[in-house]
Order: sequence, then C-alpha cells, then structure tokens
Amino acid sequence: QVQLVQSGTDVKKPGASVKVSCKPYGGTFSSYTINWVRQAPGQGLEWMGGIIPIFGKANYAQKFQGRVTITADESTSIAYMEMNSLRSDDTAVYFCARGHAYGDQYYFDSWGQGTLVTVSS
Amino acid sequence: SYVLTQPPSVSVAPGKTATITCGGDNVGSKSVHWYQQKPGQAPVVVIYYDSDRPSGIPERFSGSKSGNTATLTISRVGAGDEADYFCQVWDTTRDHGVFGTGTTVTVL
Repeated sequence: QVQLVQSGTDVKKPGASVKVSCKPYGGTFSSYTINWVRQAPGQGLEWMGGIIPIFGKANYAQKFQGRVTITADESTSIAYMEMNSLRSDDTAVYFCARGHAYGDQYYFDSWGQGTLVTVSS
Repeated sequence: SYVLTQPPSVSVAPGKTATITCGGDNVGSKSVHWYQQKPGQAPVVVIYYDSDRPSGIPERFSGSKSGNTATLTISRVGAGDEADYFCQVWDTTRDHGVFGTGTTVTVL
C-alpha cells in the first residue's frame, strides 16, 4: 500500500506564499492522480484540485483557480501545492490524496498525514 | 456547485446500528465513497463505489444507495467508531471532487 508523506508544519504571514510537498512511498506515482484537500479548524473536507503526473495538467476548484498551483515532478516523484496571497482564513490542514480511477470517476485511496499551515501576522 | 448534504450528527448506543445519509442532486447516477476521520488523523476510505469495502475495513461497515440518497450503515457500533464521516463523489461535469458536509458519530 502506498504511503504519502508530506512536508512539515508551516507558519506564514498574510500575503505570503506556501508550498507543500507530497511524496509517495511504496507505490506508483505517475499513473494516478494526486489531489489536494484542505480542512480548516473544526470544518469539513474541501477538494482544491488535482493533477495526473504523467500528463502534467492540473485542474482546480473554481474557488482556488488563479491562487493555487499544483505541480508534479516525475523525476523525483514529488507533487506540490503552492498557494499565494495567503489570508488568515487559509489556516488549515492540507492533505494530499491519491485518486483511484474507475472510468471517469475517482475516490481517494491513500492520504498524506496532513500539513498544518498557519497564516498569522 | 454540486452539494452533498449529510446530517451534522448521529448518536447511537453501543452495539446498535448507525445510519448516515448523503443526499445530492442525481446522486443515483454517481459512485459514492465514504471516509472515516478520527481527531488529528487523515481520512480513511471505508466504502468505495457505493458498497465496496477496502481490505481491513470490518464487515460492520456497509454502503447502499437509493434514488438521490446514499447511506453508510455501521452495525454493532463500538467506541472505536466515534469519528467524523464524509461522503464523496466525483463531479464529472467539472472534473472535480466533492465532499459531503460531514457527520459526527457519537457513541452514547
């Protein structure tokens, strides 16, 4: 079973950018989607976007379009989520999750441990 | 945007059955997946493609779907089942993931 390992806790000031990494161990990287899901304190899960590493093209939830960039480096098998213009309400735990396809539909069969990003002045 | 609605909370006595619903427009035509999330942990899939169970998930967890409502059923509930549960579908129109609002299961 693949294990997704994410980068550690980060603290940023409003207006700054953050880049979170996600590396799979024990499984393939390129043939699945890597998705990013965030969870604000005490709130539910929110899908942000995803990428298929072999194609390199990401798609995003409309809410994050233009402010979030998801990339994947096949040479190192690491996926990244970068968010700019951070605000206090971006304070959340950010998860990467592997998307498992059945036809044109996906579910998330493996998850990273989560990365807490705190935005505070 | 596509919305999946779940009851905020479900309370159940030990040994009884918990039922969590997930409603959304045209859910009957989509595959529904369910995740369990315990405090401070990442979600874990407990049901995928409406009713399939990953290896390692107890048979006490089952999924079903009827019309525009999907249901996660947990039988013989124990203290270890206390968690938040989220349903999820893939919106093929927008090629997006969508999560339900989440349900907190409390064992009395």
